[in-house]
Amino acid sequence: GEDVEQSLFLSVREGDSSVINCTYTDSSSTYLYWYKQEPGAGLQLLTYIFSNMDMKQDQRLTVLLNKKDKHLSLRIADTQTGDSAIYFCAETGAGGSYIPTFGRGTSLIVHP
Amino acid sequence: NAGVTQTPKFQVLKTGQSMTLQCAQDMNHEYMSWYRQDPGMGLRLIHYSVGAGITDQGEVPNGYNVSRSTTEDFPLRLLSAAPSQTSVYFCASRPRSNEKLFFGSGTQLSVL
Repeated sequence: GEDVEQSLFLSVREGDSSVINCTYTDSSSTYLYWYKQEPGAGLQLLTYIFSNMDMKQDQRLTVLLNKKDKHLSLRIADTQTGDSAIYFCAETGAGGSYIPTFGRGTSLIVHP
Repeated sequence: NAGVTQTPKFQVLKTGQSMTLQCAQDMNHEYMSWYRQDPGMGLRLIHYSVGAGITDQGEVPNGYNVSRSTTEDFPLRLLSAAPSQTSVYFCASRPRSNEKLFFGSGTQLSVL
């Protein structure tokens, strides 16, 4: 089946940029997502990108997609302590079912 | 709108007991789904539904039943709880042709 891989942990200093990486195996992926989960809460969609795009920017967030290498990244500029959370990469394949496959999540720890 | 509402937030069961996790959404979403989240495992799809009267199995359906008699509700039943079902359960929904999933705040279940 399809696979989505992420590193489990990332630690950064407040004010630095964070880059969370994700790789996927489904070459027919149509949408790729980043979700954020704060402690004790459900997941919230941060941003998503269509597979025919290579970059999307939204305020402090930049998503880069390298479709050839099946690599997705999320860059958070000027990382704040409030950005500490688990970040999930997800993708949906072709066919219109929109059932996402999630990665295991990257725990981002922001320290002063 | 309340969004996606899950009850209860916490539950402790003994092995062999049965219970139903409730999920309701007030956004008239056609698609609803149940995930379980385990440490280091990310989100795994249990069951999903693309509309009232239609359900299908996800990645880890064993030990769980679902039904979808109305658009709003999608309960998840554990027929005979096992310690392996100790997890955090999330319900999610979305409109028919929309890529954005809306998550509930989760139910933390412990089976002793």
